[in-house]
Amino acid sequence: GQNIDQPTEMTATEGAIVQINCTYQTSGFNGLFWYQQHAGEAPTFLSYNVLDGLEEKGRFSSFLSRSKGYSYLLLKELQMKDSASYLCAVIDSNYQLIWGAGTKLIIKP
Amino acid sequence: IAGITQAPTSQILAAGRRMTLRCTQDMRHNAMYWYRQDLGLGLRLIHYSNTAGTTGKGEVPDGYSVSRANTDDFPLTLASAVPSQTSVYFCASSDSRGASGSVDEQFFGPGTRLTVL
Repeated sequence: GQNIDQPTEMTATEGAIVQINCTYQTSGFNGLFWYQQHAGEAPTFLSYNVLDGLEEKGRFSSFLSRSKGYSYLLLKELQMKDSASYLCAVIDSNYQLIWGAGTKLIIKP
Repeated sequence: IAGITQAPTSQILAAGRRMTLRCTQDMRHNAMYWYRQDLGLGLRLIHYSNTAGTTGKGEVPDGYSVSRANTDDFPLTLASAVPSQTSVYFCASSDSRGASGSVDEQFFGPGTRLTVL
């Protein structure tokens, strides 16, 4: 079967750095997305990785290792507004998105 | 309209009733999707459409049907609602769905919170 694993919940302090991990086992791989979802709202796109390495976008960076079936989302200089769920999703060989259950990130002052 | 809209925002429905959730996008995206999101589970694909006039089944299609008569609209129908269909439903769209080898980000509507009693 296809599987995406993420920690259920993480807590971090305002101004700090946090890394949210995602491991996957899917039938084929055509890329990996990270989305942010605030409580009661729709998911919004953060990043897309298809090649190994680090993609940096402002305070957010995303890393991919295809050989290890692993990705992480790195959030720097945390702000209270970063409190949200972070969803990892892998595109399988049929170009279907397989979603993880999400990691709820709690930011404390 | 800007982006993707869904209606209704929320609904309480008696079991056995028929219900259509509406979804409209104005981005001229080719592909559209319906997901359900349940606590502790990831988004699960119900049905999708690669382009107007075509539809396909996702991971959890049973009890749901869709149509794609034009580019903008992608309604989801529950023919006879059951309590297990209580969920938050998200409609999404993207420019393509891998047809040309590219994979585009999906844009999500605000969701419909459905309760079936």
